[in-house]
Amino acid sequence: AQSVSQHNHHVILSEAASLELGCNYSYGGTVNLFWYVQYPGQHLQLLLKYFSGDPLVKGIKGFEAEFIKSKFSFNLRKPSVQWSDTAEYFCAVNDYKLSFGAGTTVTVRA
Amino acid sequence: ETGVTQSPTHLIKTRGQQVTLRCSSQSGHNTVSWYQQALGQGPQFIFQYYREEENGRGNFPPRFSGLQFPNYSSELNVNALELDDSALYLCASSIGRGANSPLHFGNGTRLTVT
Repeated sequence: AQSVSQHNHHVILSEAASLELGCNYSYGGTVNLFWYVQYPGQHLQLLLKYFSGDPLVKGIKGFEAEFIKSKFSFNLRKPSVQWSDTAEYFCAVNDYKLSFGAGTTVTVRA
Repeated sequence: ETGVTQSPTHLIKTRGQQVTLRCSSQSGHNTVSWYQQALGQGPQFIFQYYREEENGRGNFPPRFSGLQFPNYSSELNVNALELDDSALYLCASSIGRGANSPLHFGNGTRLTVT
């Protein structure tokens, strides 16, 4: 089974700052990679996904992630965050089931 | 399009009791997965149901059981509740059981065991 590590537990930054959240997964063959986001008081929702092809994938709300196979990583980025990006972010890997990391809480200060 | 709905939203039970949580899948989805999310942790996979049959199970004891009905709604049953069962229980539905089927989550049921 896959395991997923998210590097940061809590990130605090100001509006317009750049964001990068790290995610590493254990080797397990072909994987499908996801980032989910949970805004305060809302359900988990899909931010972006990678199955194959271009390792740089773009998601909703200006987020993107890069799959680096040699590093078993799938880091999430956003060039300029907004206050509304305050949320909890989960990296997830799917082989036969979706395995989540512990999550990173992102707080954006206005 | 109706999303995933879960009931109840909150529940308080006593150790040793049994609980049933319910989930209605999103329209058109035939697969339901259940997750347990303890405080400060990511969701942990409990099991998945596809067309009324269990299709994969995580590292949870047999006192965690489930059902899926012909309309693809689902129940999660937990017997002999323990204090560590206190968590947010998430239901997610998807189309098919493939690894590339994105999950659509409900808001969860917050279970507190005292």
